[in-house]
Amino acid sequence: DTEVTQTPKHLVMGMTNKKSLKCEQHMGHRAMYWYKQKAKKPPELMFVYSYEKLSINESVPSRFSPECPNSSLLNLHLHALQPEDSALYLCASSIVSPGHNSGANVLTFGAGSRLTVL
Amino acid sequence: AQTVTQSQPEMSVQEAETVTLSCTYDTSESDYYLFWYKQPPSRQMILVIRQEAYKQQNATENRFSVNFQKAAKSFSLKISDSQLGDAAMYFCAYRSPGLNYGGSQGNLIFGKGTKLSVKP
Repeated sequence: DTEVTQTPKHLVMGMTNKKSLKCEQHMGHRAMYWYKQKAKKPPELMFVYSYEKLSINESVPSRFSPECPNSSLLNLHLHALQPEDSALYLCASSIVSPGHNSGANVLTFGAGSRLTVL
Repeated sequence: AQTVTQSQPEMSVQEAETVTLSCTYDTSESDYYLFWYKQPPSRQMILVIRQEAYKQQNATENRFSVNFQKAAKSFSLKISDSQLGDAAMYFCAYRSPGLNYGGSQGNLIFGKGTKLSVKP
């Protein structure tokens, strides 16, 4: 299995709703990432998990709450979002290697979840 | 801070022809990694090619090759024998060597992308 699977593919929610995005991989990768991509823009990093622990939070508002319940799963819980949060949310994973070489590790991306906030 | 610049918002190529996408970057680091990712309308980011800065030899993957000029901080992608399936948004990306496990030093920094159209 060489895929990162994201569900749902599309999600429409109101500003008062609570919803979650899910990401799953079975490649044995121990680093998992959430990216946000607005239309015609490059992806922007939101969170990084390494060995199921949050290692990077790029100053993301608290209405986005990540969770990594095990080494294969990554969730993004959404609550009280704003219309400007509408975007494509990409999940990615990679192996983890110590020190200097981790920059070489290739990220494998999922197909994304298209979120629309009304 | 590192930056990545793609100066061509859109490019077009005739099927079976060759096209080159430009990418320049700015960094004070001597060692790093460069990537080209492709994002077709299906939205999934797909790795096209990877280059280690300490390797002088240009990376090649089938019809895709790079021209890596470290001194000029240039990393262009050449697509030979273009196919309809090559139509996509292409992102150039920079990554520092990691100091920690998945740490911010290893974050991918993307350029703004080049939209490639392939004409039959």
